[in-house]
Amino acid sequence: QKEVEQDPGPLSVPEGAIVSLNCTYSNSAFQYFMWYRQYSRKGPELLMYTYSSGNKEDGRFTAQVDKSSKYISLFIRDSQPSDSATYLCAMRSGGYNKLIFGAGTRLAVHP
Amino acid sequence: GAVVSQHPSRVICKSGTSVKIECRSLDFQATTMFWYRQFPKQSLMLMATSNEGSKATYEQGVEKDKFLINHASLTLSTLTVTSAHPEDSSFYICSAPMGGREDTEAFFGQGTRLTVV
Repeated sequence: QKEVEQDPGPLSVPEGAIVSLNCTYSNSAFQYFMWYRQYSRKGPELLMYTYSSGNKEDGRFTAQVDKSSKYISLFIRDSQPSDSATYLCAMRSGGYNKLIFGAGTRLAVHP
Repeated sequence: GAVVSQHPSRVICKSGTSVKIECRSLDFQATTMFWYRQFPKQSLMLMATSNEGSKATYEQGVEKDKFLINHASLTLSTLTVTSAHPEDSSFYICSAPMGGREDTEAFFGQGTRLTVV
């Protein structure tokens, strides 16, 4: 079993839809949770960063962490074609420990 | 904001030659940097942790003699792919956590696409 599970998709939605992306994990030591967006042949770009459980909102993006269920989510409201990319969840325990990535979900938002 | 710069963005080399990839933290010091490898449509796989002033820590299955890492200063880490072969063709990405705080964020370089012919 992988430490972090993420459905690779692809996920195709119409413009304006609400997108829900999810990851589950098995290591209860994870405390820091991140979502990255990666366009083709580019490095990942940090979208959201959350410590421990709870919600965090930034514009059209909302990140949720449920440590009791070992489940994290990223919601994208009013999705745009420019949101088409691969979304990677990542997490780590404390300190400068390495990030563990999910497989990434490919999202396509069509006009 | 903090920026990590990676160079070159793309390189094509002949089989058997060596290639050096640089990763720089532009406006902060990074005692630790991470090197990842990413195959097409796959996630990032950590290769090694680069530590300023000491030896790198390699993940299981990564050949340290093939992927040489040097972290000579607080702003620069290099990855050298020695005696490259076509199977080393991949997307290599570095990242650097921002120092001085535990709730650090990892910033990534732009990536280097290596093609070995």
